[in-house]
Amino acid sequence: DAMVIQNPRYQVTQFGKPVTLSCSQTLNHNVMYWYQQKSSQAPKLLFHYYDKDFNNEADTPDNFQSRRPNTSFCFLDIRSPGLGDAAMYLCATSRVVGTGASYEQYFGPGTRLTVT
Amino acid sequence: KNEVEQSPQNLTAQEGEFITINCSYSVGISALHWLQQHPGGGIVSLFMLSSGKKKHGRLIATINIQEKHSSLHITASHPRDSAVYICAVKHMDSNYQLIWGAGTKLIIKP
Repeated sequence: DAMVIQNPRYQVTQFGKPVTLSCSQTLNHNVMYWYQQKSSQAPKLLFHYYDKDFNNEADTPDNFQSRRPNTSFCFLDIRSPGLGDAAMYLCATSRVVGTGASYEQYFGPGTRLTVT
Repeated sequence: KNEVEQSPQNLTAQEGEFITINCSYSVGISALHWLQQHPGGGIVSLFMLSSGKKKHGRLIATINIQEKHSSLHITASHPRDSAVYICAVKHMDSNYQLIWGAGTKLIIKP
C-alpha cells in the first residue's frame, strides 16, 4: 500500500545531542511537510518542500533543519535539542499542481521525541 | 477568536449513538479537512471537502460554504471510534498552510 513511513516511531535523545528523524513516502507526492505537535495542541507546520524547494515557516527556530535528497525521503534534523523540543513530529505529503487548489495531506504515524 | 472553532471540545457517548461534531470558520477557504488522531498516534485524513457532502462507511461530512460551517457525523458509533477529531481549513490565499481547530475528543463507551 502507498503510504507515509516515519522512523523511528520513538526517539530518545540527550539535551544538546543532534538527532535526525526520517520520513519516506511511496505516494510519489511532490510536497512533503514536517509538523511539530506538542501535547493537546494542534500540529504546527515547521517547513515544507515543494519538490526541491525548501520553505521555512517564519517562526521555525534555526535549530530545526531539513533535507530532502530525493522525492521519496525527507529528514528533520534538530541540531541541539532542548527540553522544549520534546514533541510528536509528523511528516505529511501531498500532490500539488499549480496554485490555489487544495490537496489532501497524507500523514505518517509520527515520531515521538523525548529529550532527557 | 480562533479562526477555526470546533464544538464540542469533549464528547462522551454510548456505543451505537449518532455523533455530530461541528466546525465553524471565519476565513475564506478553498477546502476543509476532517482528520482523526488516536491517543499517541499519527493523524489520518478522513475527508477533504470544498462543497456538499461526502460519505465513507459510517462517517459523513458536510459543509455549508455560505454559513462557513461543517459537520462530521458518525453513525452507529463504536468504541474504536474513540479519538480526537480535528477540523482544519486551507485558507484560500495559501497553498500549504492549514489552520487547525482545537479538536474534539470523542469517547464511545461500550
